[in-house]
Amino acid sequence: EVQLVESGGGLVQPGRSLRLSCAASGFTFDDYAMHWVRQAPGKGLEWVSGISWNSGSIGYADSVKGRFTISRDNAKNSLYLQMNSLRAEDTALYYCAKDKGWELRATFDYWGQGTLVTVSS
Amino acid sequence: QSVLTQPPSVSAAPGQKVTISCSGSSSNIGNNYVSWYQQLPGTAPKLLIYDNNKRPSGIPDRFSGSKSGTSATLGITGLQTGDEADYYCGTWDSSLSAGEFGGGTKLTVL
Repeated sequence: EVQLVESGGGLVQPGRSLRLSCAASGFTFDDYAMHWVRQAPGKGLEWVSGISWNSGSIGYADSVKGRFTISRDNAKNSLYLQMNSLRAEDTALYYCAKDKGWELRATFDYWGQGTLVTVSS
Repeated sequence: QSVLTQPPSVSAAPGQKVTISCSGSSSNIGNNYVSWYQQLPGTAPKLLIYDNNKRPSGIPDRFSGSKSGTSATLGITGLQTGDEADYYCGTWDSSLSAGEFGGGTKLTVL
């Protein structure tokens, strides 16, 4: 059974940093691209970032480019999102999502339950 | 403002059929596969349709997808009260090198 478990969310002040983690199990992690997708309270889905199976291709939404960094450790079956210079508008539930392919195609066949990030003073 | 355009809401009676549209451009829908997601209240999204018209195992054939040019459509037949949810289309944008979602459509089964 595929499982994606996010962690690392919490309350953080504007301008500070936070690192999210996603522990994956139930599939061959290094065969697939992975993504972060967020959902602000009461709003729709927003793709944040994606990383291919071997970290050779990485993409970011314009809203986070230059502030967020995605990475993965295939030996640990883990995905990460380093978030710097956080803003109030980054407040959202952050989902880890598995791609159906090994390259970035943004077809998300499994999702975690999300970790909540709240940016507020 | 989402790159992909969906109607904010649709509604229909139980047992009826509904369609949800998703409009984009040549850089996204026009040259990439479209997927559809169902998000029930308080839960994570779930993949309904991928590669324009394919259903993952376990998804009933009441759900269907199609694509024509720069637009895609999700169809749901035999509506049930349990289908009340938010539905999102998604795809890759080759020009932006980014994933994209529609703004979401709230389905009400009257």
